[in-house]
Amino acid sequence: EDQVTQSPEALRLQEGESSSLNCSYTVSGLRGLFWYRQDPGKGPEFLFTLYSAGEEKEKERLKATLTKKESFLHITAPKPEDSATYLCAVQAASYKLIFGSGTRLLVRP
Amino acid sequence: DGGITQSPKYLFRKEGQNVTLSCEQNLNHDAMYWYRQDPGQGLRLIYYSQIVNDFQKGDIAEGYSVSREKKESFPLTVTSAQKNPTAFYLCASKITGVGTEAFFGQGTRLTVV
Repeated sequence: EDQVTQSPEALRLQEGESSSLNCSYTVSGLRGLFWYRQDPGKGPEFLFTLYSAGEEKEKERLKATLTKKESFLHITAPKPEDSATYLCAVQAASYKLIFGSGTRLLVRP
Repeated sequence: DGGITQSPKYLFRKEGQNVTLSCEQNLNHDAMYWYRQDPGQGLRLIYYSQIVNDFQKGDIAEGYSVSREKKESFPLTVTSAQKNPTAFYLCASKITGVGTEAFFGQGTRLTVV
């Protein structure tokens, strides 16, 4: 069964305190792994696509990496405006787009 | 401006009623998706469609129905058979293909009164 698991469920950081979010997956025929940011009451906003193990993508303070079994979203020197829920999703061979339960990030000033 | 529009933003339903949530996109995307999100949780797939006049059940399709008569539109009906419909509903669309990202609407919050 295709499955996506994110950890931790919630993460509290001080401004400037770097950390990583984890997304582990089991899927038949990975067609892509995606990271999204979601603010309360809004639709998810696309951040990154990763296609194959070893790939990395960066955007401002965020860096996403991919292995054969998991992906990490590294947050370097976060700011309060980085507070949001971060969602990981995979596209399977069946074209289903499957999401994890998300990590709620709170960055305190 | 290209985008994906969900309406209404807020919807109230009496018990026993069917309600339909609208999702329209002008991005020329073939694939469209409906998700349900409960407080503090991730997105669960209700239905998805790769092409007009074809759609597949997701993980929680019971109590929901969809149609895909036009490329631009993918309405979701929440039927009276859905016992716990109060949730945040999200529609997404994407180009059919390997690793292409999905774009989301701003959601409809449905409340049973």
